[in-house]
Amino acid sequence: DAKTTQPPSMDCAEGRAANLPCNHSTISGNEYVYWYRQIHSQGPQYIIHGLKNNETNEMASLIITEDRKSSTLILPHATLRDTAVYYCIVRAGGSGNTGKLIFGQGTTLQVKP
Amino acid sequence: GAVVSQHPSWVICKSGTSVKIECRSLDFQATTMFWYRQFPKQSLMLMATSNEGSKATYEQGVEKDKFLINHASLTLSTLTVTSAHPEDSSFYICSARDRAASSYNEQFFGPGTRLTVL
Repeated sequence: DAKTTQPPSMDCAEGRAANLPCNHSTISGNEYVYWYRQIHSQGPQYIIHGLKNNETNEMASLIITEDRKSSTLILPHATLRDTAVYYCIVRAGGSGNTGKLIFGQGTTLQVKP
Repeated sequence: GAVVSQHPSWVICKSGTSVKIECRSLDFQATTMFWYRQFPKQSLMLMATSNEGSKATYEQGVEKDKFLINHASLTLSTLTVTSAHPEDSSFYICSARDRAASSYNEQFFGPGTRLTVL
């Protein structure tokens, strides 16, 4: 699975949009981009995933560049409860995939009042 | 939504004893479960993949005789830390894949078990 690069930390003002970038320049055609977050001392929580089209759900939006070498997770109106470590993970899809998720260091998002 | 539980949520044990951690999928069947370990201020490290009815697959560097994994049913996997030592103190997290879900679908994580070995 391709490696990802994320900034180690970011700050965001409460109520504003949080834009978390992720580089995955070696991503291959059958690999999906997944985002998880981990609030302190809890298990990770799934946020969203995508292949090449932009995706949106009740939690966030995922914007993937046309060349698929980078993506941005957008939390439209960040709240204090969104303070967490956000992980961008690239993983192969399809019925033969192992399902393994390899976590990098992630981005620590601090939402400030 | 899909829920994964872990038991216990925290445990303190003496050096040399064995500790069993349970991971259960509460409202779905999981043919595959994963076990992770997380040290303070570090990321999650995948330890092993647990498949129902077969032997677990361990990641490189993880001792299979020390970390015994059993996946006896579609809703339960257990991790036993044998002869625990202080360096095994960590946050252990499991995740599960829904058997009925799409292969692209998300994994569901348990809340974690904090192990402290004295």
